[in-house]
This record gives sequence, C-alpha cells and structure tokens, in this order.
Amino acid sequence: DQQVKQNSPSLSVQEGRISILNCDYTNSMFDYFLWYKKYPAEGPTFLISISSIKDKNEDGRFTVFLNKSAKHLSLHIVPSQPGDSAVYFCAASGLSFGNEKLTFGTGTRLTIIP
Amino acid sequence: NAGVTQTPKFQVLKTGQSMTLQCAQDMNHEYMSWYRQDPGMGLRLIHYSVGAGITDQGEVPNGYNVSRSTTEDFPLRLLSAAPSQTSVYFCASSPTGASYEQYFGPGTRLTVT
Repeated sequence: DQQVKQNSPSLSVQEGRISILNCDYTNSMFDYFLWYKKYPAEGPTFLISISSIKDKNEDGRFTVFLNKSAKHLSLHIVPSQPGDSAVYFCAASGLSFGNEKLTFGTGTRLTIIP
Repeated sequence: NAGVTQTPKFQVLKTGQSMTLQCAQDMNHEYMSWYRQDPGMGLRLIHYSVGAGITDQGEVPNGYNVSRSTTEDFPLRLLSAAPSQTSVYFCASSPTGASYEQYFGPGTRLTVT
C-alpha cells in the first residue's frame, strides 16, 4: 500500500520554463512533507519542506504547495535549469504521532532540455 | 566535516553469506536511519535509531539487524543474504528526527547472487 504516490515517473521540461512535480498521499495523519533531489550515484539531498499548517513555502527558485483537502502537494521550479535534471522524491511524516519515520514516494525523473 | 560516510561502495555476496554495511557520521546527529532503494519502489525505511542504544524497525526490517553503540556509527547487518536484498542502501542522519533535513551518505550497491 503506497501511502505517498508520485504518478509521473518522468518529466521533460525546456530550460527556462516551469517544472511542476506532483505528489499525492493517502494517510491523513501526515503533517510534514519534504522534497529530496537525487543525482545518479549520489545520496538524496534535502530540497525544501512544508508543514501542514502552511499551504506554500518558497526557497529561491523552488516553491512547494500543499492542498490538504486534496492530499496533494506539488513542487514548482522556476526557471528550470540544466542542473535541475535529477530524480525528485517527495516524502511525508507525522510530527503529531512521532518524528521517527519518513515515507517516500517512488520518485519522478526530471530532465531539463537545453 | 566528512558528513555521512558509507563503506563499501559496492559489494557482491553469495546467497547465505552475511556482511555488515558500515555507516558513520561526524555531525553529532542523534537520529540515524537506513533505507533501501529499489526500482519503482522509492526509498524504504529499514531501521532507525533516535540515539545511542536505541533502535527500532522501519517498513522493511526482515533480514537485517542494527545496533547503535555510539552516536557516530550505525552499522547494518545482513544475517543471511538473499537475492531479494539486492539493492542500493543509503544511510542518513539528522539532528532530531526523520521530519527534519536528513543528510544521506553516497550509498552502497549490493548484489546478491
């Protein structure tokens, strides 16, 4: 039972345009969400996070939007750059029931076309 | 700071062999965890530790053991390797827990034949 779902395995975007990566979750107890970025042969690196008390969080070119009623979050990258080509994982945890476990989605491979 | 280090980078085992994947961090983080990454499955939590002497199971703990005798080290032991354990293994650490930024090691690619 996949509690965090990334339904698009891959996405291609022209350089300079907006990249939108989507993530859905089923567990209503999740209240903290994170995005990680992973290059080949490296470990994931933290990108941005959002608490369920917010619906938007920005960090430079990266913005995460959370729609709690739809159990949906998205990551926007504007403008997209070639160095953004990587696999992006969304992840969720429940601060309200402990802080120990993170559930990851299956990842979306983003390719930025120069 | 070296961050999170993992050894070895690559390993091939025969079915039934045992081995230990090493993980160390030099950031004095209390929380450490092990994940495995398989195609189409994302990263799945194997075991985690919230401090020295404290460990607990994640989503896929069967076939693996962990211990945490020091803050710095969190080894993962495969008791009797099976082909289903062929995967890429990542160790991660964070100051306080899974919901905060975790720092990942570079991974160990394990093949069991």
